[in-house]
Amino acid sequence: AQKVTQAQTEISVVEKEDVTLDCVYETRDTTYYLFWYKQPPSGELVFLIRRNSFDEQNEISGRYSWNFQKSTSSFNFTITASQVVDSAVYFCALSDSGGSNYKLTFGKGTLLTVNP
Amino acid sequence: GAGVSQSPRYKVTKRGQDVALRCDPISGHVSLYWYRQALGQGPEFLTYFNYEAQQDKSGLPNDRFSAERPEGSISTLTIQRTEQRDSAMYRCASSIGLAGTYEQYFGPGTRLTVT
Repeated sequence: AQKVTQAQTEISVVEKEDVTLDCVYETRDTTYYLFWYKQPPSGELVFLIRRNSFDEQNEISGRYSWNFQKSTSSFNFTITASQVVDSAVYFCALSDSGGSNYKLTFGKGTLLTVNP
Repeated sequence: GAGVSQSPRYKVTKRGQDVALRCDPISGHVSLYWYRQALGQGPEFLTYFNYEAQQDKSGLPNDRFSAERPEGSISTLTIQRTEQRDSAMYRCASSIGLAGTYEQYFGPGTRLTVT
């Protein structure tokens, strides 16, 4: 069965600090996809990134970067020079072909608060 | 283009009433998913459609919950004889293809409160 663990329930940082959100996953499939979503205080779920299990290259998008390590089943998310607007709940999610439905299995989320 | 829309955004109903929640996916998106999100938790899978075919309903909690997507576009999630434990945010997501290959885009959700 799929499982996603986000061990950090809440993180609080001061603006301009770097912060890393941890995500550890479990799956029996060799083909799977990993995602990060952002849920700001307004409540919507905003897609940030998708990675497939065959591509372990790290990715950078502006202040955001993602570190995918199959050896440790982790897909961590780093925000560089955090800003107040980054304050949100961040969800890591896993999708695999179990049952061929590719449903998303989410972690419980990490609440990030960036203080001015 | 327009994103995923859901209606109503908020629904307050009395225990025992039936409710219907609507999802209008992004135009052309093949796959449609329903999730339920409790406060302080991540969304949990309910059911899934490819076009009009319901592929998986293993996440529906019990037989009071049902969903349809008759023309392969708009979907309705129906909860019969609502109970207080049904109170949650119900989210719909759509994907242009098989959702593992493509990302799922979520609607704003319907906040259901059963009193």
